Amino acid sequence: AQSVTQLDSQVPVFEEAPVELRCNYSSSVSVYLFWYVQYPNQGLQLLLKYLSGSTLVESINGFEAEFNKSQTSFHLRKPSVHISDTAEYFCAVLAGGTSYGKLTFGQGTILTVHP
Amino acid sequence: DADVTQTPRNRITKTGKRIMLECSQTKGHDRMYWYRQDPGLGLRLIYYSFDVKDINKGEISDGYSVSRQAQAKFSLSLESAIPNQTALYFCATSDPAASGSYEQYFGPGTRLTVT
Repeated sequence: AQSVTQLDSQVPVFEEAPVELRCNYSSSVSVYLFWYVQYPNQGLQLLLKYLSGSTLVESINGFEAEFNKSQTSFHLRKPSVHISDTAEYFCAVLAGGTSYGKLTFGQGTILTVHP
Repeated sequence: DADVTQTPRNRITKTGKRIMLECSQTKGHDRMYWYRQDPGLGLRLIYYSFDVKDINKGEISDGYSVSRQAQAKFSLSLESAIPNQTALYFCATSDPAASGSYEQYFGPGTRLTVT
């Protein structure tokens, strides 16, 4: 069975500062990895995903995440955050037997960007 | 119009009542999922369905049942609601065979309060 741990439940930062949201997973088989974002009073939206290939993946709004197999991590980073990035972020893993299609989510990290 | 819709968006009910949450999708996806979200726990899978005739329990199915009435409709029922079922409920869809990706698309959520 796989599991996902998001190491910080809340991350407060000031606008234009860099941020890193940490995610570690455990799985005995190959994985696909995802970051989802949930803005206040909304559903979850896919931010970025790692399926294969380059270990560094980017989103259209400046976030990036790097798949590190040896450290079993998939940390999310942004060099300069905006107020509008305030949201809850979820890391998720889909492990082996991909026909199963079951995502396991982390506990979530609330990112609050202060002016 | 949204691709994945959920009704109702908010519901307050009393302990012991039966309640149904509905999900509809226009994405043409075969796979549908029900999750509940609790603060600090992330999203946990209740039930999932890979097609109309294939329904499976997730990690927290006790106290819940589902019905897949059609490819586009997947309903979640609480036969006898209890206060610890107070949560935010999300429906999601996916279609890895068509998209080549395993990402899931989420509805806006139903906030359920059991008093």
